Amino acid sequence: DAGVTQSPTHLIKTRGQQVTLRCSPKSGHDTVSWYQQALGQGPQFIFQYYEEEERQRGNFPDRFSGHQFPNYSSELNVNALLLGDSALYLCASRPGQGAGEQFFGPGTRLTVL
Amino acid sequence: KQEVTQIPAALSVPEGENLVLNCSFTDSAIYNLQWFRQDPGKGLTSLLLIQSSQREQTSGRLNASLDKSSGRSTLYIAASQPGDSATYLCAVSPEFPTSGTYKYIFGTGTRLKVLA
Repeated sequence: DAGVTQSPTHLIKTRGQQVTLRCSPKSGHDTVSWYQQALGQGPQFIFQYYEEEERQRGNFPDRFSGHQFPNYSSELNVNALLLGDSALYLCASRPGQGAGEQFFGPGTRLTVL
Repeated sequence: KQEVTQIPAALSVPEGENLVLNCSFTDSAIYNLQWFRQDPGKGLTSLLLIQSSQREQTSGRLNASLDKSSGRSTLYIAASQPGDSATYLCAVSPEFPTSGTYKYIFGTGTRLKVLA
């Protein structure tokens, strides 16, 4: 079992550009959550997907959007990038909608210049 | 609004010491609490998950306790080693989820350095 995988590992963009990050959940998991972790901070919840729908969203602007595919993989899209979007983006998965343990991927480091 | 605080923010200890990391949360209505380890620039590695009905969990040299009513959890690391150097994060899930979904609310972490 490969666990949660994310791509790419690192990404450099300039202000105003758009970016897409990808996540494949752990085998058997169908719920995917995305978190943003700024340097020196704890991760902040962006949103969660289940059954291809966004189920809950944190305090992030509409520039942040996502998608979940029938195979449960997910994408995070960020439009009109700002310098403040520079962070480590983490994907987490769990089976179902319960409160069981979440498993995190290695993250994508996004740098906005 | 749930807030999670971790004290101390940073800690440096000599190898072999036993140490305690603290996590406090403002709303005791939690479903579970999870401790993670994060190496620099890396993702999160789960260490221990404590359900709200449990008092503690143990894994090897790690022991985590939970006092839900007082809003506190501690992570005890026995006989610390240089390889334990990392940031330790705690996260709580609310007892009553929004829209039927559970999310994690994280603390800002404790940066641990174990000196050889």
